[in-house]
Amino acid sequence: QVQLKESGPGLVQPSQTLSLTCTVSGFSLTSYNVHWVRQPPGKGLEWMGRMRYNGDTSYNSALKSRLSISRDTSKNQVFLKMNSLQTDDTGTYYCTRYSGTYYFDYWGQGVMVTVSS
Amino acid sequence: DVVMTQTPVSLSVSLGNQASISCRSSQSLLHSDGNTYLSWYLQKPGQSPQLLIYLASNRFSGVSNRFSGSGSGTDFTLKISRVEPEDLGVYYCFQHTHLPYTFGAGTKLELK
Repeated sequence: QVQLKESGPGLVQPSQTLSLTCTVSGFSLTSYNVHWVRQPPGKGLEWMGRMRYNGDTSYNSALKSRLSISRDTSKNQVFLKMNSLQTDDTGTYYCTRYSGTYYFDYWGQGVMVTVSS
Repeated sequence: DVVMTQTPVSLSVSLGNQASISCRSSQSLLHSDGNTYLSWYLQKPGQSPQLLIYLASNRFSGVSNRFSGSGSGTDFTLKISRVEPEDLGVYYCFQHTHLPYTFGAGTKLELK
C-alpha cells in the first residue's frame, strides 16, 4: 500500500542546515509528484515545494533562496535541505503525494523539527 | 503569490447545525486547462491533513455527503451540514493553480 515516511534530526542548531528524507513505498517517484508542507506549532500549513515525477522542482517564494529538494529514485526517497535555519523554522514537516487527479491523497505522519541552541 | 483568505478564523457550531467556511483568492483559480485547482483539507488534532474536496466541488472518495464545496474564480465555500463530533478540527483551503501553491490560514471548527 502507499506510504510516505519522513525522517531526520529532531533538533537543529540555529544557522545550521536541515536535512530531511521522505521514504515512499507503494508507488514510483517517476510517476507521482511529492510535495513538502510544514506547520509551525499551533499554526497553519505552509507549502514548501515539490519534486515532480520528471525531476523538476518548484519552491515557495519565501524559502526559495535556502531550500533544495532532490531525490534518489532507486531508493524511493525525496530529500529536503534547508539552510540558515532560524527558530521560526521550528515545526512539523510533512511529505505528501500529489495524485494524478489533482489532490494530495497520501501524507506522511510528519516529523517534528526544533531549531534551538 | 496568490493569497488565500479564509473566513472566519474560528467557527463555533452546535451539533447538528450547518457550518460554512469561505475562501477567497487574490487571483482567479481557473487554470488555462479549464480546471479550478482548489482543494479543502481537514486537519484533526494530532493528525496529518486529510482531503475533503478537490477541484472546488468534487467530494473525495469516502468523504461524507454532508461536506460540499462550491465556487469559482476567486470565491469558494465549504459547507458542512449537520455537524458531527468527528468534523471538529482545522479546515484549510489550498490553491494549486498558480505556482507557488498556497494554503489559506485555516478555520478552526469548534463545538458551541
